[in-house]
Amino acid sequence: GQSLEQPSEVTAVEGAIVQINCTYQTSGFYGLSWYQQHDGGAPTFLSYNALDGLEETGRFSSFLSRSDSYGYLLLQELQMKDSASYFCAVFTGGGNKLTFGTGTQLKVEL
Amino acid sequence: DTAVSQTPKYLVTQMGNDKSIKCEQNLGHDTMYWYKQDSKKFLKIMFSYNNKELIINETVPNRFSPKSPDKAHLNLHINSLELGDSAVYFCASSLGGNAGELFFGEGSRLTVL
Repeated sequence: GQSLEQPSEVTAVEGAIVQINCTYQTSGFYGLSWYQQHDGGAPTFLSYNALDGLEETGRFSSFLSRSDSYGYLLLQELQMKDSASYFCAVFTGGGNKLTFGTGTQLKVEL
Repeated sequence: DTAVSQTPKYLVTQMGNDKSIKCEQNLGHDTMYWYKQDSKKFLKIMFSYNNKELIINETVPNRFSPKSPDKAHLNLHINSLELGDSAVYFCASSLGGNAGELFFGEGSRLTVL
């Protein structure tokens, strides 16, 4: 089976930078995804890393190290609207399955 | 133009009843999924279909029966509802086998009394 670990809560101030880590154990690994979910809303796709390295999309960046089974999501210039839950998820073969971590609740304060 | 739409958005029902949730996507995707999110926000895959064929069935009780009449629709029927079935059910779709990027519907909140 798969297991993913990420912190349950992170708090940061507006304008700061925050990093949310994710470690995983799985077989048939294809890639690591990140999703954002606001309270009462649907998960929305942020990024997908299949190869080692850093992918940047605006204020958000995502990193993957396949050898360390580790990735992170980096959020820069935090805004109040970034307060949400962030999920890492592993994409594995054998049915093309996306398995989610337990989520990190990010609280952005003034 | 909603990409992935689910109905109903809210569902309140009694234990033992049968209910259905419908999902439609207009993205032209060929793979669709049902996920269950519990009160602790844990998102767990239940089923996936590719071109109307069942691909993933994640040890879900057989009271849950998905049905895909065509690749744009995936419905979920639940028999003999139990208290533990209370959750938010999300439909999602993806293009080809790329389950790394899923497009989710707004969710259907099911409350079983």
